[in-house]
Amino acid sequence: QVQLQESGPGLVKPSETLSLTCTVSSGSISNHYWSWVRQPPGKTLEWIGYVHSSGTTGYNPSLTSRVTISVDTSKSQFSLRLTSVTAADTAVYFCARGSPVADYWGQGALVTVST
Amino acid sequence: EIVMTQSPATLSVSPGERATLSCRASQSLSGHLAWYQQKPGQAPRLLIYDASTRATGIPATFSGSGSGTEFTLTISSLQSEDFAVYYCQQYNDWPPTFGQGTKVEIK
Repeated sequence: QVQLQESGPGLVKPSETLSLTCTVSSGSISNHYWSWVRQPPGKTLEWIGYVHSSGTTGYNPSLTSRVTISVDTSKSQFSLRLTSVTAADTAVYFCARGSPVADYWGQGALVTVST
Repeated sequence: EIVMTQSPATLSVSPGERATLSCRASQSLSGHLAWYQQKPGQAPRLLIYDASTRATGIPATFSGSGSGTEFTLTISSLQSEDFAVYYCQQYNDWPPTFGQGTKVEIK
C-alpha cells in the first residue's frame, strides 16, 4: 500500500517561505497525480494544487501567485513552496495521491507561521 | 468557486442506527462529488467518489447518492469506528472545494 510522509520545518516566520517535501514509498510515483491539501486548525480542507509525475502542475487560483509544486521522480518525492506566508497560512499540510480526488494521504504536518 | 454546504453540522446517533448526511452545491456537479471521513489527528480517508462509487476497502455500510446539486451519504448501521467528521468535496470545477463538515457523534 502506498505510503506518503511529509517533512519540513514546523515553524516559519511571517513573510518567509514555507517548504515541505512528501516522500512516496511502497509504490511508484510515476503516472500519478500528487497533491497538497491544507487544513487550518478547526477548519475545513483547502486544495492547494497538484503535480503530475510528468511535471504538469495546477494551482488553486487563490494561491497561484505564491505557490510552486514540483516533483523529483528519481527521489520519489514531490514538494510544496509557499512564499510570503502570513498567520493565515498556519495549517496542517497534507500530501496526497490523486487529483482532484485523493485516495492515499500522508499523516499531515503542522506548520505554524509566527515570529 | 463552487460553494459546498453540509447539514447538519452535528449529528447525534446511537450505535447501530442509520445516519444520513446531506451536501448541497451552489451549482450542478454532474456527479463529480466525493465523501471523506476524518478522525481527530488523522488524515482524511476517501469513502465515496463519483457520488456513489465506494473507494477500495470501504464497507457496504457506506453508500452515496444524489445528483445535480443535492447529495447524501448514508451510513446504514453506525459502528464505534464510524464516529468522525465527514466532508463532501466537489471536483466538477477547479479548484476542488470541500464542505464545512458534519460531525457524527455518539448519542
